[in-house]
Amino acid sequence: NAGVTQTPKFQVLKTGQSMTLQCAQDMNHEYMSWYRQDPGMGLRLIHYSVGAGITDQGEVPNGYNVSRSTTEDFPLRLLSAAPSQTSVYFCASSFRGEKLFFGSGTQLSVL
Amino acid sequence: KQEVTQIPAALSVPEGENLVLNCSFTDSAIYNLQWFRQDPGKGLTSLLLIQSSQREQTSGRLNASLDKSSGRSTLYIAASQPGDSATYLCAVGNNDMRFGAGTRLTVKP
Repeated sequence: NAGVTQTPKFQVLKTGQSMTLQCAQDMNHEYMSWYRQDPGMGLRLIHYSVGAGITDQGEVPNGYNVSRSTTEDFPLRLLSAAPSQTSVYFCASSFRGEKLFFGSGTQLSVL
Repeated sequence: KQEVTQIPAALSVPEGENLVLNCSFTDSAIYNLQWFRQDPGKGLTSLLLIQSSQREQTSGRLNASLDKSSGRSTLYIAASQPGDSATYLCAVGNNDMRFGAGTRLTVKP
């Protein structure tokens, strides 16, 4: 099993550009989520999904969209990038109520 | 809103020492609590998960306890090693997980 795979690992955007961060898991987990990690602030939940076709907002959803068309994939879309979205983004998945498995992260810089 | 606090923010100990990391949360109505390890530039690895009905979990040299009534959890690391150097984070919740900012642990040879 590859686990949770995130692409790209690094990305630089200009303000106003849009992009999609990809996340895929091969463990048949129903739960998937996106977090951002900023220095000194821990991880903050952006969006999550409890199954295909079901998504919900987390703590910091503004400026981000998600969809879950399959069990395996959970892409995160930045609609119009802003410097405040410079961060490290992590995708995670699990069976409901069980240990979370994290991807290796995407380091995003918005200039 | 659930808030999770970890103290201290950083800890340095000599090799072989037993140590305790602390995690506190404001809402005792939690589903479960997890402890994670994060190495620099890497993702998080789940170390231990404690369900709300449980009091502790153990894995090797690690033991995590949960006291919902006081809103606290501790991660005990026995006989620390330089390889234990990392940032340790706790998180509570179910779908809407809330993380602490972590404790950066350095174990000196």
